[in-house]
Amino acid sequence: GIQVEQSPPDLILQEGANSTLRCNFSDSVNNLQWFHQNPWGQLINLFYIPSGTKQNGRLSATTVATERYSLLYISSSQTTDSGVYFCAGDGGSQGNLIFGKGTKLSVKP
Amino acid sequence: NAGVTQTPKFQVLKTGQSMTLQCAQDMNHEYMSWYRQDPGMGLRLIHYSVGAGITDQGEVPNGYNVSRSTTEDFPLRLLSAAPSQTSVYFCASSYGYNSPLHFGNGTRLTVT
Repeated sequence: GIQVEQSPPDLILQEGANSTLRCNFSDSVNNLQWFHQNPWGQLINLFYIPSGTKQNGRLSATTVATERYSLLYISSSQTTDSGVYFCAGDGGSQGNLIFGKGTKLSVKP
Repeated sequence: NAGVTQTPKFQVLKTGQSMTLQCAQDMNHEYMSWYRQDPGMGLRLIHYSVGAGITDQGEVPNGYNVSRSTTEDFPLRLLSAAPSQTSVYFCASSYGYNSPLHFGNGTRLTVT
């Protein structure tokens, strides 16, 4: 199956700062998605983004499928952005969605 | 809509006991899946289903069984619990395998 690498593994920001999280895939990937796990453990779908760019408020995501990576941008970060961000995709085995190990983000007031 | 509902929220088992983690969704989603989350390991796929009557193995299927007799329900069975199965279990669903995935709130399982 595909390998999913996320970077950086940990990130500490001051409130108001911007950040970029990266997700690399070992092979062609379909069905690419980004999730946020809040400090209470809930997993929320942020983007379904197999290709192109999407924006939702202060968050945006870009997937370059031909180069097997995706980026998540967080602008003007807030303490509520803290948590772990995961990307996931399947490598041709439809339904076999593989997750990266996540980026743990801490936003300090 | 309730979304994806998992029960119980917490469970403690002794080694060798069996139990079923329940997962139900009311969104008429065809695709459902089970993940386990362990510290430092991210989420690992246990089993998934692309529709009623169809199931397939994910990355870590050993020790777990599933069935999908209805569109709404996708229970996960532990046949003989082991301490290595101590984890947080998440159920998820989506319209299809190529649609945004929605998660339940998880079940924290401890096997002693």
